[in-house]
Amino acid sequence: QVQLQESGPGLVKPSETLSLTCTISGGSISTYFWSWIRQSPGKGLEWIGYVDYSGSTNYNPFLKSRVSISVDTSKNHISLNLSSVTAADTALYYCARDLYYYDSSGYPGIAFDIWGQGTQVTVSS
Amino acid sequence: EIEMKQSPATLSVSPGERATLSCRASQTLSNNLAWYQQKPGQAPRLLIYGVSTRAIGIPARFTGSGSGTDFTLTISSLQSEDFAVYYCQQYNNWPQFGQGTKVEMK
Repeated sequence: QVQLQESGPGLVKPSETLSLTCTISGGSISTYFWSWIRQSPGKGLEWIGYVDYSGSTNYNPFLKSRVSISVDTSKNHISLNLSSVTAADTALYYCARDLYYYDSSGYPGIAFDIWGQGTQVTVSS
Repeated sequence: EIEMKQSPATLSVSPGERATLSCRASQTLSNNLAWYQQKPGQAPRLLIYGVSTRAIGIPARFTGSGSGTDFTLTISSLQSEDFAVYYCQQYNNWPQFGQGTKVEMK
């Protein structure tokens, strides 16, 4: 059974870089896309971006200038770096496995079928 | 950017009753609409994807339907474990979520 576990500092200072790791256990990192998603009272659920096993990425255009997601297949984990953080980046950060499918019209879709438990990150001095 | 509007914000339902949740997109979508359930202190759980395909292990009382800009999640006979917040999510250019509907006990 695939399980995801997020880890990283719970407190980050404004203007610094938020760095989180998601370790995947019980399955291979290959074949799938892996996303970071955050949740806050003000913005709700917000997709940050995804990475695949080859390192290919796609990011939320509103965060793209500050985000970097990478993969380490030898350690079976993915990482998130979010630079120049402000209080607006305070949130519960999840990693999730992407379910890539084709809908009834043949268009691609992405849903998130396995989630980590989430890790709270607060941006404050 | 596509806006996803869910209604109502809160739905009060008695156990055994039917619950109907709405998700409306600001632009026409293809059929790549998903639904999630989230309980307090837990991560969201995928219920439905591709508008109407139930995820693994999801009971048949959860049904997704709709097309274009209007989508619906129906819970045919609400069980006690179904009281939660429900989110819709689309994938057009990038994944975007609605703001959620809280299903509470009447």
